Amino acid sequence: DGGITQSPKYLFRKEGQNVTLSCEQNLNHDAMYWYRQDPGQGLRLIYYSQIVNDFQKGDIAEGYSVSREKKESFPLTVTSAQKNPTAFYLCASSRGTAPRGENLFFGSGTQLSVL
Amino acid sequence: AQKVTQAQTEISVVEKEDVTLDCVYETRDTTYYLFWYKQPPSGELVFLIRRNSFDEQNEISGRYSWNFQKSTSSFNFTITASQVVDSAVYFCALSDSGGGADGLTFGKGTHLIIQP
Repeated sequence: DGGITQSPKYLFRKEGQNVTLSCEQNLNHDAMYWYRQDPGQGLRLIYYSQIVNDFQKGDIAEGYSVSREKKESFPLTVTSAQKNPTAFYLCASSRGTAPRGENLFFGSGTQLSVL
Repeated sequence: AQKVTQAQTEISVVEKEDVTLDCVYETRDTTYYLFWYKQPPSGELVFLIRRNSFDEQNEISGRYSWNFQKSTSSFNFTITASQVVDSAVYFCALSDSGGGADGLTFGKGTHLIIQP
């Protein structure tokens, strides 16, 4: 079955450590996105990529980095510069390079916590 | 700037009751798109509906209905005869005239609890 796979489900980070969240999709979608969700808050866009080897900052990109070397994969690295990384991270993908909100498919998320 | 307000943080009802989730939005665009998503306990968001700003016709899909009123900048969601499986967090979202996913503004969500 086609879908989006995020791993791990739970991740713990030590102070000063970089961690990478995985997002893989086999839907052949061009665009991929990373969102951050804090308790009682809406989703906020971190980074998005509409094509391989290209990506753009979202609303809260500081302290995060991404790469898009393959169409299927869009890993997110939470760097030590991100001072408040504890959150639920959602990856999404959509068809085409001009995606619309109704075409978003989401993964089941990664909960990142700081030790 | 765009803004979406979901004033109800949490709603708890008994199964079979009707429940309405409120969504109020702000935008300076004359063309925009409104969305509702469901986030079940498994975590992923599931798209429910999109409404264009130029189409104020209400929509019904089974037990779900949506009431879009431009005069009050509201896009409310009603579940009729609620079921336990409806328990989830529901997000309302707004997109500008491009309708692109990179331009989505989400509300804070309403946690709906349906008690058996």
